[in-house]
Amino acid sequence: DAGVTQSPTHLIKTRGQQVTLRCSPKSGHDTVSWYQQALGQGPQFIFQYYEEEERQRGNFPDRFSGHQFPNYSSELNVNALLLGDSALYLCASSLGGGFGQPQHFGDGTRLSIL
Amino acid sequence: QKEVEQNSGPLSVPEGAIASLNCTYSDRGSQSFFWYRQYSGKSPELIMFIYSNGDKEDGRFTAQLNKASQYVSLLIRDSQPSDSATYLCAVNSPSGGSNYKLTFGKGTLLTVNP
Repeated sequence: DAGVTQSPTHLIKTRGQQVTLRCSPKSGHDTVSWYQQALGQGPQFIFQYYEEEERQRGNFPDRFSGHQFPNYSSELNVNALLLGDSALYLCASSLGGGFGQPQHFGDGTRLSIL
Repeated sequence: QKEVEQNSGPLSVPEGAIASLNCTYSDRGSQSFFWYRQYSGKSPELIMFIYSNGDKEDGRFTAQLNKASQYVSLLIRDSQPSDSATYLCAVNSPSGGSNYKLTFGKGTLLTVNP
């Protein structure tokens, strides 16, 4: 039973560039949520996708966008990268859009901005 | 603003002792509560979830929920050095319509000394 998979594992970019991170949910899951985790902090909610639509969004600027595909996999895109975007980006999957359902995390993508 | 508060620690306990981790939350509408374990440099791993007031036990772990006091805790019995990690409390709260959002605390660093 495949868990949540994320790619790439690590990424180094420079300010102003754009990045795309990818996530495949756990088998049987249909909902994908993205989080940003800075060092020493808990994960911060970016947005959630269900039925190929963004259902809800956290306090992140429009530079952060995403997509969900018919096979439930998802992408996170970040434009005009800033130094402050350096963080661990986590994808979590769950079933049925969220209420009460545990979210399971992938191993994350560590993004470094130079 | 919905908040989840945890003592950042570090909490240090001897091997074999009971470790007690605490979490408070601000949104009385919160419905489900989760504990994640995060080893340094790794992604969060779900270890317990609880929906109703009272205790829920799973092996050496017990989650306790008191909705009236807006308080959730995690007890780890017979603590082992391998339990040394950051423990994240996460709370699922309504965020508009039928949506729920998972909000994390900053985590408590637990060190179990041999």
